[in-house]
Amino acid sequence: AQSVTQPDIHITVSEGASLELRCNYSYGATPYLFWYVQSPGQGLQLLLKYFSGDTLVQGIKGFEAEFKRSQSSFNLRKPSVHWSDAAEYFCAVGAYNTDKLIFGTGTRLQVFP
Amino acid sequence: NAGVTQTPKFRVLKTGQSMTLLCAQDMNHEYMYWYRQDPGMGLRLIHYSVGEGTTAKGEVPDGYNVSRLKKQNFLLGLESAAPSQTSVYFCASSLLAEQYNEQFFGPGTRLTVL
Repeated sequence: AQSVTQPDIHITVSEGASLELRCNYSYGATPYLFWYVQSPGQGLQLLLKYFSGDTLVQGIKGFEAEFKRSQSSFNLRKPSVHWSDAAEYFCAVGAYNTDKLIFGTGTRLQVFP
Repeated sequence: NAGVTQTPKFRVLKTGQSMTLLCAQDMNHEYMYWYRQDPGMGLRLIHYSVGEGTTAKGEVPDGYNVSRLKKQNFLLGLESAAPSQTSVYFCASSLLAEQYNEQFFGPGTRLTVL
């Protein structure tokens, strides 16, 4: 069965620093991968998604993610973090021929000025 | 265009009480989902619907019932609330259920069961 692991529960960075949030998936075929962001007290918003093609995907708010099949990873990156990026980030996988997404447990990002 | 809305935003129940959470979407989406979010556990699917009049069980369906009488509405019911159902509940919808379709989320309902 497919699964998603986000190894980092909580990450703290300084404003202006670079960011990488890790996501590993378990699935036999090519997965469909997503990153969502949840600001405090809000619902989830899609940052970016990968289906096929170019393994480097650009999203909203200056985020990007790279699909690496050999490492079963889909890490989220941002070159310079802003205070408004403080939120919880969820990686999710949607497997072929299913109608559900499997979510990771989330990574909470804290940004210091 | 309001997207996905949820009613109520907050609720406190006593053990054994019942309640219904309402989710509404105005995007003409076919698929709708109910999740619960608990600390350290991410989002877990409770029930979902592939269209008006249909429902299906997700990962954690016990203690919940759902109905989709109208395409735009998806109701989540708790017949006899238990403290273990204290959680934040999110509704989501998608145009299709294909795996690459984005799910749009509501703002959530925070439920406390005493």
